[in-house]
Amino acid sequence: SQELEQSPQSLIVQEGKNLTINCTSSKTLYGLYWYKQKYGEGLIFLMMLQKGGEEKSHEKITAKLDEKKQQSSLHITASQPSHAGIYLCGMRDDKIIFGKGTRLHILP
Amino acid sequence: DAGVIQSPRHEVTEMGQEVTLRCKPISGHDYLFWYRQTMMRGLELLIYFNNNVPIDDSGMPEDRFSAKMPNASFSTLKIQPSEPRDSAVYFCASSTYKGGAQHFGDGTRLSIL
Repeated sequence: SQELEQSPQSLIVQEGKNLTINCTSSKTLYGLYWYKQKYGEGLIFLMMLQKGGEEKSHEKITAKLDEKKQQSSLHITASQPSHAGIYLCGMRDDKIIFGKGTRLHILP
Repeated sequence: DAGVIQSPRHEVTEMGQEVTLRCKPISGHDYLFWYRQTMMRGLELLIYFNNNVPIDDSGMPEDRFSAKMPNASFSTLKIQPSEPRDSAVYFCASSTYKGGAQHFGDGTRLSIL
């Protein structure tokens, strides 16, 4: 069974617009990871969240873990073509389990 | 510093042939992970090692798959005999501890005809 649900599955956004990707777990998240994958390449680590309410930023990307530690959101401000790719969230269980990803396309 | 290095980047072979994928983790990383990525199933963990010892191979699909880590700087994933349904992108990743951020290689895109 899929323990991490990502939404939306795909997203098409005009360059310059803001967007949000969500990651929801059926379990309490003791560690939540966000990765980005460019098409045809490996995954690049973006950030890790551990505490309820924690928020981290990396350039124009901000991720937050909710207080109940069952949902995380990743927000991109003023999107650029370089943001295009697949965003995956991962949860730390006995090992890291990944969601199926959100495919982001940026229209120029 | 060099990242995780995988070879080959692409492999096309006929059904029934043996396939060997290779990985060199980042020096000093004690954990090594093998993943398979497909459109249908997403990213799946196949097996992971700690200090060269296989810890959890519950994700390995069947006996046709085997993985070894003879030393801290090298691991292989072998499929014998290969089948068309094994076609996928196979990733290797390493980390300093089990729950730590994993660093991924660029993957091997495997096509079994």
